Amino acid sequence: GAVVSQHPSWVICKSGTSVKIECRSLDFQATTMFWYRQFPKQSLMLMATSNEGSKATYEQGVEKDKFLINHASLTLSTLTVTSAHPEDSSFYICSARTGKQPQHFGDGTRLSIL
Amino acid sequence: DAKTTQPNSMESNEEEPVHLPCNHSTISGTDYIHWYRQLPSQGPEYVIHGLTSNVNNRMASLAIAEDRKSSTLILHRATLRDAAVYYCILRDGGGPTSGTYKYIFGTGTRLKVLA
Repeated sequence: GAVVSQHPSWVICKSGTSVKIECRSLDFQATTMFWYRQFPKQSLMLMATSNEGSKATYEQGVEKDKFLINHASLTLSTLTVTSAHPEDSSFYICSARTGKQPQHFGDGTRLSIL
Repeated sequence: DAKTTQPNSMESNEEEPVHLPCNHSTISGTDYIHWYRQLPSQGPEYVIHGLTSNVNNRMASLAIAEDRKSSTLILHRATLRDAAVYYCILRDGGGPTSGTYKYIFGTGTRLKVLA
C-alpha cells in the first residue's frame, strides 16, 4: 500500500529556533500534500494544502509566515515552524494524495518547544 | 464544508461485530464518504471509502443509507487492535477543477474493545 514517511518522529528544541519537518511519499508521486496539527485529545486540524511547484494554500487562522511549506517535488514536502514557541508544541501530521485517491498519512512528528 | 456527526465513544466486546454510525445530512451529490482510524501517537490509517453503494474490503464494510445522509462502518469481529478513534470524513471536492479534495476532520468516535 501507499506509504508516507515523516521525519523526524519527534523533536525537542529551544524557544526561538526554527524546526523543519519532512514528509515523503515513498512509493507514489503525490500531486497534493497536506499538513495537519493535532493537540492532545483533539481532532486533526488542517493547516495547509500544498501542490507540487505551487504556493501552499493556508487555512483561515494559520500564519503562512510562521509555518513555511515547500513542496519542491512530487515526493517531498517540508513544513518549517519558524521562531517556534511553547504554544507551537503539538503533533504535526502530513498526508499525501495522488489524483482523486484517498489521502495517506505519515506517522506524525511530535514537536516540543522548551 | 459538509459536516459529519459521530458519537464520542463506543464500546464493544472482543470478537463481536461493531457498527460505528456517522450522520452527514448536508452531504452533496459528489461527496465521497471516507473512514479513517487513528491509534495513539500515530497518523490516521485509511479504512474504507464509498460513494453510494455498500463497500467491503479486508478491514471493514461500509453501509451507506439510500439517501446518503448517514453511513455505518462495520467491523465484523472486533479485536483489541481495533481500539482507536474512528473518523468519518466527507471529501471536500473544492470545485470541479481544483482537485484539492481536502479533508475536514470531525471529533470522531473513540472505540474501546473489551477483552
